[in-house]
Order: sequence, then C-alpha cells, then structure tokens
Amino acid sequence: QKEVEQNSGPLSVPEGAIASLNCTYSDRGSQSFFWYRQYSGKSPELIMSIYSNGDKEDGRFTAQLNKASQYVSLLIRDSQPSDSATYLCAVNNFNKFYFGSGTKLNVKP
Amino acid sequence: DAGVIQSPRHEVTEMGQEVTLRCKPISGHDYLFWYRQTMMRGLELLIYFNNNVPIDDSGMPEDRFSAKMPNASFSTLKIQPSEPRDSAVYFCASSMGQNHQPQHFGDGTRLSIL
Repeated sequence: QKEVEQNSGPLSVPEGAIASLNCTYSDRGSQSFFWYRQYSGKSPELIMSIYSNGDKEDGRFTAQLNKASQYVSLLIRDSQPSDSATYLCAVNNFNKFYFGSGTKLNVKP
Repeated sequence: DAGVIQSPRHEVTEMGQEVTLRCKPISGHDYLFWYRQTMMRGLELLIYFNNNVPIDDSGMPEDRFSAKMPNASFSTLKIQPSEPRDSAVYFCASSMGQNHQPQHFGDGTRLSIL
C-alpha cells in the first residue's frame, strides 16, 4: 500500500465549475498536509497547507482534512483554464514527506 | 527572496559518464531533499539531509548514486557511471524542518543519458 494515494485522472471540468481533488494517506501519525500544483515541465509549487481537521480557505482554493478518515481534499472554485495542471498531495510525518502520484486536472474553456 | 537554486537546468551526456547535479537551498532552511521524477514512477525521494547530515538514503537506487552536503548552502548529487535509465528530472527541495513547514522546490535538472 502506498503512503499517499491519488486518482491519476485526468479530471476534466468546464471553466467556472468546482474541481474536487482527493487524496488518502495510510499513516495515522501524519501531522501536516500539503497540496502542490505542477505545470508540465515545471517544478511543484505549494498552493495550500492544512494541519487541523476541517476546512481551510485561500481565495478560490479550499483544503479539507478528515484525520479520522485519513482523507484530504482540495476544492478549486470558479476553475480557470490556467488551473490545468497536475496536483500533488503531500503528507508530512516527522519531516519525512510522502507525495502522491498526482491528479491531472483539465479545465476546458 | 531567492528560492532553491539548482544547476544545471539541463544535462545531456553519454552512458558511463559521471554526472554531478548541484543545489543551493533557501538560506536558513535546515532540511534538504533530493527527488527524482519520471512519468512511470512519479516523484521519488532519494535522500534527505538535516543540518548537512544525511538522515535517510533508503531511496537512493544503487551505489552509482551518491550525495553530499559539505555545508549549509550547497549539496551535490552524483551519478557514476550514468545509465540511460537514470534519465529523469531531478529536484532539490528545502524546508525549515519544524513541524508543519512545507518543502520548497528548485526548478529541477532535466537529465538525459544517451
């Protein structure tokens, strides 16, 4: 079993819709959780971090964490074509980072 | 603020040659990570350092790979001898290390072994 699991996609949504990206992790002791965006040919870029159960909002992005279910999600409201990228979920357990394989998001104009 | 700086950005070399990748972490960051990314395997952690000391090198694929961090502002990843299957994008990342601190990535080195 992988430490962090993501659906590889591609996830296709129309412009203006809500994109929902999901991630599960295996280690209950995991402490902090991150979403990175990676455009093709570029490096991963941090877009959200979350540490406590519940929701955290930053602009059009909302991260959701449910430690009981070992589940992290990222919602992107009013999706734009510029949001088309691969989204990597990362989990930190005592400074050991585990990355999912990423979900490719396509936002269609 | 300067981010993580990697060099070279691209490297093309022939099988059997030695390859050295370089990384300068963000000033003040005490953790440094080396990753390899391929389409097939995704982002793989190779090795990470804390305060210049290697902590976990279990991801290093074999003895042909070695990494050093002689000081807080410089690290190298060396492949000798290189093989075509080493072709990938190699990323360096750094973090402050306290709980909840994210990693920040360099632009990566795209390595092609012919």
